[in-house]
Amino acid sequence: DAGVIQSPRHEVTEMGQEVTLRCKPISGHNSLFWYRQTMMRGLELLIYFNNNVPIDDSGMPEDRFSAKMPNASFSTLKIQPSEPRDSAVYFCASSFGGSAGELFFGEGSRLTVL
Amino acid sequence: SQQGEEDPQALSIQEGENATMNCSYKTSINNLQWYRQNSGRGLVHLILIRSNEREKHSGRLRVTLDTSKKSSSLLITASRAADTASYFCATDTDYKLSFGAGTTVTVRA
Repeated sequence: DAGVIQSPRHEVTEMGQEVTLRCKPISGHNSLFWYRQTMMRGLELLIYFNNNVPIDDSGMPEDRFSAKMPNASFSTLKIQPSEPRDSAVYFCASSFGGSAGELFFGEGSRLTVL
Repeated sequence: SQQGEEDPQALSIQEGENATMNCSYKTSINNLQWYRQNSGRGLVHLILIRSNEREKHSGRLRVTLDTSKKSSSLLITASRAADTASYFCATDTDYKLSFGAGTTVTVRA
């Protein structure tokens, strides 16, 4: 298995632009998580999907952030409009059975908003 | 919000020595997990210990859990240069896995 695949690996954009991050979870996994990592705040859980349904989006910082999971093999995290404080590494992780077991992380998408 | 807090924040050891790091948390948990992150990479799962377990081993890793003190420790024995990484504890409360700030371990050759 190729593992969790995220794209793009790096994104540099200007303030106000729309950013879309993509994630392909491991086949057969039914849980998907989006995390954000910064030096100041560490790893923060943004949203959790179970069987493609958003279960908890309380970690999504603002209405500028949205996430979708149209099917079991694809999820997107969108930021519109982007701001410099959104600069971070965004990780997607998948698992079978939520957080009761091991999470498999992608390599992350490093976002820089100028 | 971070549930777990690791200590120390950074650790530098000589190759062959043991490395110990601790994690304290605040609320009841279902399980506690340890992850490793190499620079610029994603997190990799190391070991999971359930709330009714006290100790677990995996290769050169030994994890303990004391639910009465709400703390866990990760011991890496006979460290190698390849063990240089950041180590995170993560606590499972219901479906949420909350990560601590991590311990950065540097193994000197």
